[in-house]
Amino acid sequence: EVQLLESGGGLVQPGGSLRLSCAASGFTFSSYAMSWVRQAPGKGLEWVAAISGSGGGTYYADSVKGRFTISRDNSKNTLYLQMNSLRAEDAAVYYCAKGGEVVVTFSYFDYWGQGTLVTVSS
Amino acid sequence: EIVLTQSPATLSLSPGERATLSCRASQSVSSSLAWYQQKPGQAPRLLIYDASNRATGIPARFSGSGSGTDFTLTISSLEPEDFAVYYCQQRSNWLTFGPGTKVDIK
Repeated sequence: EVQLLESGGGLVQPGGSLRLSCAASGFTFSSYAMSWVRQAPGKGLEWVAAISGSGGGTYYADSVKGRFTISRDNSKNTLYLQMNSLRAEDAAVYYCAKGGEVVVTFSYFDYWGQGTLVTVSS
Repeated sequence: EIVLTQSPATLSLSPGERATLSCRASQSVSSSLAWYQQKPGQAPRLLIYDASNRATGIPARFSGSGSGTDFTLTISSLEPEDFAVYYCQQRSNWLTFGPGTKVDIK
């Protein structure tokens, strides 16, 4: 059974940093691209960042480029999102999501974690 | 960036009725479109990928169609558990989601 378990969310001040983690199990982690998708309270879904299965390719939405870094440790089956210079508009539930196709980086998402809430406030 | 537009924003229907949801892309995405269902407090669930393929475990009452810029998600006969928000997503050029259509009980 595929499982994705996010952690690391919480309250942070504007300008602060936070690191999210997503522990994956139930599939060959290194074979699939992974993404972070966020959802602000009462709003729709926004893709944030993607990383290829090997970790060699990383891609970002313009809204977070230069501030967020996606990475993965395939030996630990874990995905990360380092978030720096956080703004009020970054407040959201952050989901990790598994790509639906082997090797393909930009794919649909066949499994999602339960999400972790990031609150940015002074 | 490919922009996805969904209509209507809200669809009010009764159980047993047919639901037809639309997603339009600002440029062609070929068949690279997926549909998701999201219920309050839950993560999205993949329903349809590549425009018309049902994901694992998705009931046959859900069907997708379209290609290029115009896509449709059809729920043939609404069950009580189908009242939710539905999002489309394209993967042809990076990744973007539509704003969602809420299907609520009339």
